[in-house]
Amino acid sequence: DAKTTQPNSMESNEEEPVHLPCNHSTISGTDYIHWYRQLPSQGPEYVIHGLTSNVNNRMASLAIAEDRKSSTLILHRATLRDAAVYYCILRDGPNFGNEKLTFGTGTRLTIIP
Amino acid sequence: DAMVIQNPRYQVTQFGKPVTLSCSQTLNHNVMYWYQQKSSQAPKLLFHYYDKDFNNEADTPDNFQSRRPNTSFCFLDIRSPGLGDAAMYLCATSRRTAQTQYFGPGTRLLVL
Repeated sequence: DAKTTQPNSMESNEEEPVHLPCNHSTISGTDYIHWYRQLPSQGPEYVIHGLTSNVNNRMASLAIAEDRKSSTLILHRATLRDAAVYYCILRDGPNFGNEKLTFGTGTRLTIIP
Repeated sequence: DAMVIQNPRYQVTQFGKPVTLSCSQTLNHNVMYWYQQKSSQAPKLLFHYYDKDFNNEADTPDNFQSRRPNTSFCFLDIRSPGLGDAAMYLCATSRRTAQTQYFGPGTRLLVL
C-alpha cells in the first residue's frame, strides 16, 4: 500500500474550521484516499473518501490536490467531540483481495474550548 | 441500529492461557476483519474473512487464529497469550464491493 504522511498532532479552537493535511506522493491512479478517525477508547470511524474530485458529506469535506499527491480533510466547525486521531489511508480501488486498510500514524487533533 | 458488537469490552487473561474474543454484526456484511492496536499505535490488520474464505496477513503470528461459523459471528483465538499480546482488538466489517469499513468498539486484552 502507498504510504501517507501526516503531522503527529494539531490543535484548533472550538467552532473554528480545521484543515488536516495528508501527503501521499506515491499514490497510484487507482488508490482511493480514505479518512477515518478514532475517538478515545473507541474503534475507528469512517469519515470520508474520494478519488479525484473534492467530496463533501455531513461530517467533513475532502479536498484533493490536482496531482493527487496531497489531500486535506476539512472540518468546517470543530466541536469538542471532534477531538480524535485522524487517519489518512490509501486503498487500492475496489479490487477484490485489497479490502484491507493500512493505517499510518495519524494526526491527533486537540480542540481547545 | 445495525452495528458491530464486541464482547467483552475488557478481557483479562493469564500468560499462556487461551483466550477467545468475539465479534458479531447485524449489518449482514460478507467481509469481517480483526485488527490489533497496541498502546499509542495505529490498528494493524491480523486477518480477514470474505464469507468463509480466510485471509491471513503474512506477519500475523501463528498464535492468533480465527473462526467464522456464520455471517454474523467471528472469533479471535489467542492460543498462548504473551505479555506482548496485550492490546485493543478491533473487529470490523464491510461489503465486498464497498469502500467503507465499520468498526466495533474493541476489546481491550490484558495479559497477567
